[in-house]
Amino acid sequence: NAGVMQNPRHLVRRRGQEARLRCSPMKGHSHVYWYRQLPEEGLKFMVYLQKENIIDESGMPKERFSAEFPKEGPSILRIQQVVRGDSAAYFCASSPLGAEQETQYFGPGTRLLVL
Amino acid sequence: GNSVTQMEGPVTLSEEAFLTINCTYTATGYPSLFWYVQYPGEGLQLLLKATKADDKGSNKGFEATYRKETTSFHLEKGSVQVSDSAVYFCALSNNFNKFYFGSGTKLNVKP
Repeated sequence: NAGVMQNPRHLVRRRGQEARLRCSPMKGHSHVYWYRQLPEEGLKFMVYLQKENIIDESGMPKERFSAEFPKEGPSILRIQQVVRGDSAAYFCASSPLGAEQETQYFGPGTRLLVL
Repeated sequence: GNSVTQMEGPVTLSEEAFLTINCTYTATGYPSLFWYVQYPGEGLQLLLKATKADDKGSNKGFEATYRKETTSFHLEKGSVQVSDSAVYFCALSNNFNKFYFGSGTKLNVKP
């Protein structure tokens, strides 16, 4: 059973460009979470999605950031008009159930560098 | 609100030394508590967890006990190895899969 997959592993963008980060959850998992890790910091929750639904986006910046998890295909975290402060590692996690306190399984992350 | 506070690192130990990484939390209700480990360039891996007060989570020689009275979940290992060098994150979950992470503690183990 393959783990959570993320691509690309590293992404370099210039200011003003768009960044698209992809996450394929573990087989059988229908819940996806995105986290951001700034250098030397812990992970900060961004958004929780189920197939075709955003359940909780309380951690998402109000502008430029969006996320989706379509019926088919991976979950996408999209950052428009990137700025240097967006440079971070973005981690995706998945879980099989929406039940409270279910363990999350993390992908290897996408490291975004904005020049 | 919910939050997790970890001791700052880096922590540098010699091989076979005893390890303690402190973690305290603030939460409403009855959270589950977790320790995750992150090796360089990789994602987080679940190390251990405890879901209720007085539970002890253990894995690979690491242990942590859920202490409700002190709101703590300190990570311990009796004899560390060089391969344990990594960043360790304490976390809690209290609201339908939303996790709250500490800032991480970097552990360096020297031969």
